[in-house]
Amino acid sequence: GAGVSQSPSNKVTEKGKDVELRCDPISGHTALYWYRQSLGQGLEFLIYFQGNSAPDKSGLPSDRFSAERTGGSVSTLTIQRTQQEDSAVYLCASSAGGLAGNTIYFGEGSWLTVV
Amino acid sequence: ILNVEQSPQSLHVQEGDSTNFTCSFPSSNFYALHWYRWETAKSPEALFVMTLNGDEKKKGRISATLNTKEGYSYLYIKGSQPEDSATYLCAFSYTGNQFYFGTGTSLTVIP
Repeated sequence: GAGVSQSPSNKVTEKGKDVELRCDPISGHTALYWYRQSLGQGLEFLIYFQGNSAPDKSGLPSDRFSAERTGGSVSTLTIQRTQQEDSAVYLCASSAGGLAGNTIYFGEGSWLTVV
Repeated sequence: ILNVEQSPQSLHVQEGDSTNFTCSFPSSNFYALHWYRWETAKSPEALFVMTLNGDEKKKGRISATLNTKEGYSYLYIKGSQPEDSATYLCAFSYTGNQFYFGTGTSLTVIP
């Protein structure tokens, strides 16, 4: 596609429910990142996929969070048993390679509110 | 977790004023430094990718410099316009993979 696409753009969910956030990266981009920004905080790294390599999951805040990337393209971030502190904007980004010299392109984010 | 600091946290300037803000990062094992502009309700937009000490990049009225030995980058905006109002983020990488973002500088340009 022309850009990084994320869905849903907004999600309100009840505490304890599971949510899935989807990211469709730019076609051909091998690197895919998930970040989140909570109110008043900076962008927090969650997980990084690069090609067929094992993902870097070091930023996932708890075992309630998981992500997968199917076929090297679309990625889904799943949050189980959501808590109020999970409320944030979740940003997906992709780049042409895993090298930090490449420009990273962001989606518009999925705004999650847990009530 | 690496510490990437941006200052000031927020800034209000009059239209036409020039301004600058700072991104500080660890000075060891540098790989790349990125600057992004994030406008409300939009996705962060890449401004500059900087990889070499002494790099100077320019895009219209916006420019950036990089000092990897002392661990800082400056972003300059000349003749600020209301459309420059946004949050400016820097992101540091030492591995070539993971990026560490600062909390951003929120710029408001008053017409």
